[in-house]
Amino acid sequence: GAGVSQSPRYKVAKRGQDVALRCDPISGHVSLFWYQQALGQGPEFLTYFQNEAQLDKSGLPSDRFFAERPEGSVSTLKIQRTQQEDSAVYLCASSLSRLGQGHGYTFGSGTRLTVV
Amino acid sequence: RKEVEQDPGPFNVPEGATVAFNCTYSNSASQSFFWYRQDCRKEPKLLMSVYSSGNEDGRFTAQLNRASQYISLLIRDSKLSDSATYLCVVNIGFNAGNNRKLIWGLGTSLAVNP
Repeated sequence: GAGVSQSPRYKVAKRGQDVALRCDPISGHVSLFWYQQALGQGPEFLTYFQNEAQLDKSGLPSDRFFAERPEGSVSTLKIQRTQQEDSAVYLCASSLSRLGQGHGYTFGSGTRLTVV
Repeated sequence: RKEVEQDPGPFNVPEGATVAFNCTYSNSASQSFFWYRQDCRKEPKLLMSVYSSGNEDGRFTAQLNRASQYISLLIRDSKLSDSATYLCVVNIGFNAGNNRKLIWGLGTSLAVNP
């Protein structure tokens, strides 16, 4: 597609519920990133894929967070047993090059997760 | 000291004004630099990469000072549509292990008033 597409745009989850957030990157983009952005903050890195390989998941805040990109295109970020502190905007970004070097990133519109 | 620091603002300027933002970074190994723009409740969008030689795109000029470890963004003849948050982004290294070191500033808020 022309841009990075994320769904759903908004998600309200009850505490303890599992959620799955989808990212459809720009076709052909090698690198895919997930970020978490709290209100008034800059994006915080969660995880990075190069094609289907998850090369860095050091930013995932707990083992309740899991991400996959099985075929090197669409990625899913799953959060199990959601907590209120998980409420944030989850941004997906993709880049043509490995590691995004020199090209910057194209972001999706994000999924705004609210845990009640 | 934070790895990337920006003045949060807000900067309130009249239309047509020139405004400059600075961003300082602490890691001298930083290798690539970007300015992103983020509108309220929207995703960040790449505004400019920042090169050592400086670069200009229309009304926007970005500069890098490695010796002093800061980058700047200059907006000339500001428009109402320039109102947004401007995020400074620093990338340290190109190794896989360093990829998480895409460090974002908290952003500088700009409001251009009629």
